[in-house]
Amino acid sequence: KAGVTQTPRYLIKTRGQQVTLSCSPISGHRSVSWYQQTPGQGLQFLFEYFSETQRNKGNFPGRFSGRQFSNSRSEMNVSTLELGDSALYLCASSSLTGLETQYFGPGTRLLVL
Amino acid sequence: KQEVTQIPAALSVPEGENLVLNCSFTDSAIYNLQWFRQDPGKGLTSLLLIQSSQREQTSGRLNASLDKSSGRSTLYIAASQPGDSATYLCAVSTQGGSEKLVFGKGTKLTVNP
Repeated sequence: KAGVTQTPRYLIKTRGQQVTLSCSPISGHRSVSWYQQTPGQGLQFLFEYFSETQRNKGNFPGRFSGRQFSNSRSEMNVSTLELGDSALYLCASSSLTGLETQYFGPGTRLLVL
Repeated sequence: KQEVTQIPAALSVPEGENLVLNCSFTDSAIYNLQWFRQDPGKGLTSLLLIQSSQREQTSGRLNASLDKSSGRSTLYIAASQPGDSATYLCAVSTQGGSEKLVFGKGTKLTVNP
């Protein structure tokens, strides 16, 4: 079956702009999580959605938000971009059985100038 | 607050060597522990998942052990190959029914031909 897909793969924005990233989970997976990866902080949890509801949120400012649609696809939005938001944003989906791993997409690399 | 540490941060070995990567976590109340592999600029690939009730998991040349009481896990790679060169990440899940993972910063492995 098809893996997790993320669009776009690369993005360049300037400070103050906003950006929307998209994630399509594996078919049948209803849980989608988002992570930010930077060289300094490593991988950090942003939020998790299940059945269109945010179940968990990491320690990020309110400029970071997300949503999930009825088909389980998810988007995350970052408003008023800062230089420090430059990172690889990874999306993961799972079947929520607790017995199976999460499956990660290839990521969206965001560069803020 | 759960913290995950991986030692060493980088490791360079000749091809054919057996090696051990270490992961420690501060709170033993974990749901499961996973090892992932990440190739440069790519997403994460799951290698092994160990439930909190298990002591080890094996897949091919990989063996991961878990000692919850001491907050430690090791990933053993037998007969290393140049294709094993990647960053290896350890992550713990601290809540049943939640997909939030806390990651270590990884060990960058280079296997020299």
